[in-house]
Amino acid sequence: SQQGEEDPQALSIQEGENATMNCSYKTSINNLQWYRQNSGRGLVHLILIRSNEREKHSGRLRVTLDTSKKSSSLLITASRAADTASYFCANNNNDMRFGAGTRLTVKP
Amino acid sequence: DVKVTQSSRYLVKRTGEKVFLECVQDMDHENMFWYRQDPGLGLRLIYFSYDVKMKEKGDIPEGYSVSREKKERFSLILESASTNQTSMYLCASSLATGGTEAFFGQGTRLTVV
Repeated sequence: SQQGEEDPQALSIQEGENATMNCSYKTSINNLQWYRQNSGRGLVHLILIRSNEREKHSGRLRVTLDTSKKSSSLLITASRAADTASYFCANNNNDMRFGAGTRLTVKP
Repeated sequence: DVKVTQSSRYLVKRTGEKVFLECVQDMDHENMFWYRQDPGLGLRLIYFSYDVKMKEKGDIPEGYSVSREKKERFSLILESASTNQTSMYLCASSLATGGTEAFFGQGTRLTVV
C-alpha cells in the first residue's frame, strides 16, 4: 500500500508566492524524505527530516514533521517558475514507499 | 558524481515478450528499488533488494520478477509482457536502511503493444 498521501493533488500559484504541500503517512517512520520530479524524469532528493526533529530548513525549503499526527509539510517560499514540478514524500524505512504526489505549477 | 543508470530511456515491446530492464549504480549502495509510475497513482513499489541475492516484494509484484546477482545491478523482468504493464519504470538505490537519501535513474518508458 502507498505509505504517503500528499495533499493537495495539484497546486497552482503565482511566482513569488509560497507553496505548501502536506503529507500524511500510515506507519511509524525512522525519517521522512521529500523528493521533486520534473516532468518525465527521475526523482531528486530535496530534504530528509528525522523522526526526532520537528522542523528543518534548506534554502527556500522548510519541512515540518508531526509524528503524533503522522504528517509532514513542505513549504517552498518565494516560489519561482523553475519550481514547477511534482513533489513526493516517502518514508525512509527499508522499503521506501511514496504517495501520489502534489503537482505544483508556478506561473511567471 | 553519483549515478544510477537505467539501460533504456524508451522501450517498445510486444505482448508476450520477456522484457529485461536493467539498472546499475556506481555508489556501492546496499538497497535498490524498482517502481512503476502511472498518472494519478504516484510511484508504486514493485520489488526492492537490501543485499545481493536478496529481494522483497513490494505492493505490485505480480507479473514481475527481479534479479540481483551483483551489488551494483538490479534487474526487473517482465515474464510475459502485457499491455497493462505499459508504464514509466524507475530504479533507485540508497546506501543503508533508514537514514539516507535515495538516488534515482532517469526512468524507462515502456510501451507494450
